[in-house]
Amino acid sequence: NAGVTQTPKFQVLKTGQSMTLQCAQDMNHNSMYWYRQDPGMGLRLIYYSASEGTTDKGEVPNGYNVSRLNKREFSLRLESAAPSQTSVYFCASSAVAGVTDTQYFGPGTRLTVL
Amino acid sequence: DAKTTQPPSMDCAEGRAANLPCNHSTISGNEYVYWYRQIHSQGPQYIIHGLKNNETNEMASLIITEDRKSSTLILPHATLRDTAVYYCIVRSRYNNAGNMLTFGGGTRLMVKP
Repeated sequence: NAGVTQTPKFQVLKTGQSMTLQCAQDMNHNSMYWYRQDPGMGLRLIYYSASEGTTDKGEVPNGYNVSRLNKREFSLRLESAAPSQTSVYFCASSAVAGVTDTQYFGPGTRLTVL
Repeated sequence: DAKTTQPPSMDCAEGRAANLPCNHSTISGNEYVYWYRQIHSQGPQYIIHGLKNNETNEMASLIITEDRKSSTLILPHATLRDTAVYYCIVRSRYNNAGNMLTFGGGTRLMVKP
């Protein structure tokens, strides 16, 4: 099992450009999440998908959109990138969106917006 | 969710036990204590969680005080690969925000030879 995979690993964008971060999991999990981590900070939830076909906003959703393409894949889109979106983005998944359920994280995408 | 307080950094000698404290004095009865760690440049990794009883798994032990206001994560025989930032997180059973994990500052553990 690869677990949670993310592409790309690194990306540099110019202000105003758009891009989509891809995430896939092979653990047959129902729930998936997108977090961002700014330098020296903890993670903050951007969006989550409790199950296939549903998505909801997290703590910091502005400037992002998501798509739960199928049970395996959950993408994060930046329509018009801004320097404030420079961060490391982590995707995670869990079997269900329950408080005792463990989230498994991908390796991250390091995004720089110039 | 209850807030947590952790020391910003700790050192531990390789092969010795690492004891990482966490204060969660405002924890309520329906809240769990979770521990994750993040090794440099990697995604966070789940370690262990508990409600009121002490817990042990292949990675670590979690000791929760009787009043549940604090806990200690114990890595019994720390290795250099345990060098990481350790996050103590309190999660409510009734958290509707998508099972969100709220990460604070964590403790940066440095295991030294």
